[in-house]
Amino acid sequence: AQKITQTQPGMFVQEKEAVTLDCTYDTSDPSYGLFWYKQPSSGEMIFLIYQGSYDQQNATEGRYSLNFQKARKSANLVISASQLGDSAMYFCAMREGMDSSYKLIFGSGTRLLVRP
Amino acid sequence: ETGVTQTPRHLVMGMTNKKSLKCEQHLGHNAMYWYKQSAKKPLELMFVYNFKEQTENNSVPSRFSPECPNSSHLFLHLHTLQPEDSALYLCASSQVLAGTSTDTQYFGPGTRLTVL
Repeated sequence: AQKITQTQPGMFVQEKEAVTLDCTYDTSDPSYGLFWYKQPSSGEMIFLIYQGSYDQQNATEGRYSLNFQKARKSANLVISASQLGDSAMYFCAMREGMDSSYKLIFGSGTRLLVRP
Repeated sequence: ETGVTQTPRHLVMGMTNKKSLKCEQHLGHNAMYWYKQSAKKPLELMFVYNFKEQTENNSVPSRFSPECPNSSHLFLHLHTLQPEDSALYLCASSQVLAGTSTDTQYFGPGTRLTVL
């Protein structure tokens, strides 16, 4: 089974509107971390937001917020007030456990296109 | 320089060539990573170095040889590559804290490699 699933290969959103990018995960470890990265066409993976499995509140970073639903194992990224510069690939990733395994497991990504 | 830098940004090489990719992090982190991103595939972890010691080798062919001389520098030596090795190679670094899963990996801009 896939550890990280992003079911939306591509999304469109109108400039200034909000958009939700879906991410579901699969783990039996009670301790894990969830990350979202943005990858513009230049290639660099830009860290956006982090949510820990024990965090009581949903993470927020500026226009980015994470809709964390632990029971459903989902960690959707919400981008408010979309801007043209938000057009990029978005990847959800998970790190399991607190041991020496530093693996980040990535989803297949969602391509977001912001329309003017 | 700030963050994570990678050189070269683009590389074209023949199957018999030997080349090296370089990564440098200016964040004071203690762990560094090599990832491979092929078209239409999720990001794949190749190698992990923690405190200059290789802690992960994700079944990578021996034609890829990593080197980590210190905690700020990471190299990927390439020899006798195949056309299917053409991909974007991303370097990342993080500050690993024992007993947590919160360390965020910060990525460089990547090296786009084409093997002819």
